[in-house]
Amino acid sequence: QSVLTQPPSASGTPGQRVTISCSGSSSNIGSNTVNWYQQLPGTAPKLLIHSNNQRPSGVPDRFSGSKSGTSASLAISGLQSEDEADYYCAAWDGSLNGWLFGGGTKLTVL
Amino acid sequence: QVQLQQSGPGLVKPSQTLSLTCAISGDSVSSKSAAWNWIRQSPSRGLEWLGRTYYRSKWYNNYAVSVKSRITINPDTSKNQFSLQLNSVTPEDTAVYYCARAVGYFHQWGQGTLVTVSS
Repeated sequence: QSVLTQPPSASGTPGQRVTISCSGSSSNIGSNTVNWYQQLPGTAPKLLIHSNNQRPSGVPDRFSGSKSGTSASLAISGLQSEDEADYYCAAWDGSLNGWLFGGGTKLTVL
Repeated sequence: QVQLQQSGPGLVKPSQTLSLTCAISGDSVSSKSAAWNWIRQSPSRGLEWLGRTYYRSKWYNNYAVSVKSRITINPDTSKNQFSLQLNSVTPEDTAVYYCARAVGYFHQWGQGTLVTVSS
């Protein structure tokens, strides 16, 4: 059971906007930044958003992140078929002195 | 451009030691701004951070509580790589293992190694 809680699944149609939530606690999301990763089948996770809302070079601006208190969200606008993947949030936990991942959200583009 | 190349056996017998290596190009294992991590992924446990090593005038390690008694992560400055050793493995340690470079977030990942624990 992951300490960071994500919905197991999400879905949308092409062009729609979808959001994925990530809930934690004061020792992780509440006091540290949140990062998001996209994982396509059979590949390693890829950094999508870091430091709550920063997109690495090459990541489309359709992807955005936000954080409030002990929760964070990933938003994908203008949904495309290639966005179908698993999405994970991650944050450092100061009490555990280690990184935590969410359980992952499988995004389906209908 | 930083690249990580993993190597090591894909099959380990129960009670034995799992050993993997991650070779670094484009950065130094002695970097004072990066940390070098091992992460694994299985259907039952999802993505699980195992531990890290990093250099800040001296070497430091952090390990996940779940594996703390069984894990060692070591840097090898002569070969610019770092390694994972996980002792006394059981079938529950079967997973895809990744190495990753972190600079406040996991920026680069190795290609992943499926390690199966079975006799």
